[in-house]
Amino acid sequence: EAQVTQNPRYLITVTGKKLTVTCSQNMNHEYMSWYRQDPGLGLRQIYYSMNVEVTDKGDVPEGYKVSRKEKRNFPLILESPSPNQTSLYFCASSLTGIWVGEQYFGPGTRLTVT
Amino acid sequence: AQTVTQSQPEMSVQEAETVTLSCTYDTSESDYYLFWYKQPPSRQMILVIRQEAYKQQNATENRFSVNFQKAAKSFSLKISDSQLGDAAMYFCAYRRDLGGGGSEKLVFGKGTKLTVNP
Repeated sequence: EAQVTQNPRYLITVTGKKLTVTCSQNMNHEYMSWYRQDPGLGLRQIYYSMNVEVTDKGDVPEGYKVSRKEKRNFPLILESPSPNQTSLYFCASSLTGIWVGEQYFGPGTRLTVT
Repeated sequence: AQTVTQSQPEMSVQEAETVTLSCTYDTSESDYYLFWYKQPPSRQMILVIRQEAYKQQNATENRFSVNFQKAAKSFSLKISDSQLGDAAMYFCAYRRDLGGGGSEKLVFGKGTKLTVNP
């Protein structure tokens, strides 16, 4: 089954404790992206990757890191989480080119930073 | 920068009726793509429909259709014969064309929550 998986689905952590949210896709997609969703703000792009070893900032990259060492994986790293990073996070993937808008989304990760 | 505006935070419709969700966008590009995504209570994001800016014909997918007005930069979603399963958050999104250069971003609106009343 074609899918994007994220782990963990739910995470409660404390300020400053480094964490990683994993994302993996099995569709051989070149393009991967991370979004955060906050009430009243919609989805905002954090980082995206056009292909392996190529990543770029989205609209809200501060406080986040990503890496794309393998085509299928695109982890999101919070080096020192803060309460304002409490949010619902989505990983997505797609083909490149004209297909970038047709993204497959993971199930979401609900992160709470206390 | 491209922006996407959904002016209706919430909408409601009676089952079997028709509802239209509004979306406007701001861009200086001539070639781009527009999308509607649905997010039901399960939180899963699902692509509903897409529209290429160079196409004059409005896209249609079963009960979902769009009214694309390029000059007005408007991209509304019409849901016909509404069903209980249509209840969800709906997000309008914009993607610039690859040929325009620059980053390949998907910009979302803030969403419209649709309630379907039985």
